Amino acid sequence: DTGVSQNPRHKITKRGQNVTFRCDPISEHNRLYWYRQTLGQGPEFLTYFQNEAQLEKSRLLSDRFSAERPKGSFSTLEIQRTEQGDSAMYLCASSLGAGQDYGYTFGSGTRLTVV
Amino acid sequence: AQTVTQSQPEMSVQEAETVTLSCTYDTSESDYYLFWYKQPPSRQMILVIRQEAYKQQNATENRFSVNFQKAAKSFSLKISDSQLGDAAMYFCAYRPNFGNEKLTFGTGTRLTIIP
Repeated sequence: DTGVSQNPRHKITKRGQNVTFRCDPISEHNRLYWYRQTLGQGPEFLTYFQNEAQLEKSRLLSDRFSAERPKGSFSTLEIQRTEQGDSAMYLCASSLGAGQDYGYTFGSGTRLTVV
Repeated sequence: AQTVTQSQPEMSVQEAETVTLSCTYDTSESDYYLFWYKQPPSRQMILVIRQEAYKQQNATENRFSVNFQKAAKSFSLKISDSQLGDAAMYFCAYRPNFGNEKLTFGTGTRLTIIP
């Protein structure tokens, strides 16, 4: 197992375009989280999945954002009609379970630049 | 809502010396975990050390140790015998031991190691 994989590593897009990021968690991890990190800040929670169910979405996740985790495996995060304010690092993390400290494993992130 | 505060945006230390990074947090819960994460320039967030709130004993991992003061809601990280590879952003994070178990991060401390 090579850990949490995120693709692409970098994405430059024009304002108004749609973008999609992919996260492949550690295979036995049933929880998957998306965070957004802007320059000079700590990561902020966006949403999380327990298996295929999306259980919580932050108010940071506007209607232009959608996330899926079909079959409880990989996850995608789509941003529609991108805006310059969407420029950030998007981090994915996975963990084994709830109620105990199995810890998170983070991916290397996808850096989005909206021009 | 839980908050995590890191009041030192930047710190520097001479190689082989000891440095302490500060973190305070606010929560009304009694069952939670606290973490220090390291984010090197390569971006992947790496767990440095974790502390369970119900354990009075301070966690230690090799050159890294914490000073956990539950009543004061303080959680500092001490790095002994600092090495060049310790240079990174350090994030303090809180996670409740129930519900979505999402991490709440501080704004980070950039640690520079002076050769």
